[in-house]
Amino acid sequence: GEDVEQSLFLSVREGDSSVINCTYTDSSSTYLYWYKQEPGAGLQLLTYIFSNMDMKQDQRLTVLLNKKDKHLSLRIADTQTGDSAIYFCAERGGFDDTGRRALTFGSGTRLQVQP
Amino acid sequence: NAGVTQTPKFQVLKTGQSMTLQCAQDMNHNSMYWYRQDPGMGLRLIYYSASEGTTDKGEVPNGYNVSRLNKREFSLRLESAAPSQTSVYFCASSEEGAGAYSNQPQHFGDGTRLSIL
Repeated sequence: GEDVEQSLFLSVREGDSSVINCTYTDSSSTYLYWYKQEPGAGLQLLTYIFSNMDMKQDQRLTVLLNKKDKHLSLRIADTQTGDSAIYFCAERGGFDDTGRRALTFGSGTRLQVQP
Repeated sequence: NAGVTQTPKFQVLKTGQSMTLQCAQDMNHNSMYWYRQDPGMGLRLIYYSASEGTTDKGEVPNGYNVSRLNKREFSLRLESAAPSQTSVYFCASSEEGAGAYSNQPQHFGDGTRLSIL
């Protein structure tokens, strides 16, 4: 099946920028998503990008997509302690045999923000 | 607006016991999903339901059954719990669009933390 890979851990100081990286294998990806999971909670959709775009900015969040290299990144500007969480990359691929477009998640990157 | 609601939030079972995890959404979404989350493995799809009355297997369906009771509710049943099913279970829903390039982000509940001894 398709694969989505992320590094496990990132530590930054408060006020710095954070960059969380993700690579995927599905060449028929349509949408790519970033979700945030705080302790004890479910996944919260942060932002997404369509596969024909190379950048999307939403306040402190910037998503960069390199479709040729199948590389997605999430940059968080002016990182705050409240940004400490696990961040999941997910990609929406092409139609499978059942007519469904599968959503494949990475294993998550734990972001630790130090004061 | 509650979104996706899961019950219970925590449960401890003994091996061999059965239980049903409940999920309800109030966003009028057609599609609903059950995932399990294990350390270092991200989310893996157990079952999904594209519409009321239909269910299909995901990546890891063995040991589970589901029921799409109506458009709002999608339950997950463990008939004979095993320690390997200790996990955090998430329910999600989305509005599946008709077009090939429609955007269908999934909305998640807060999870059920299940321990099987």
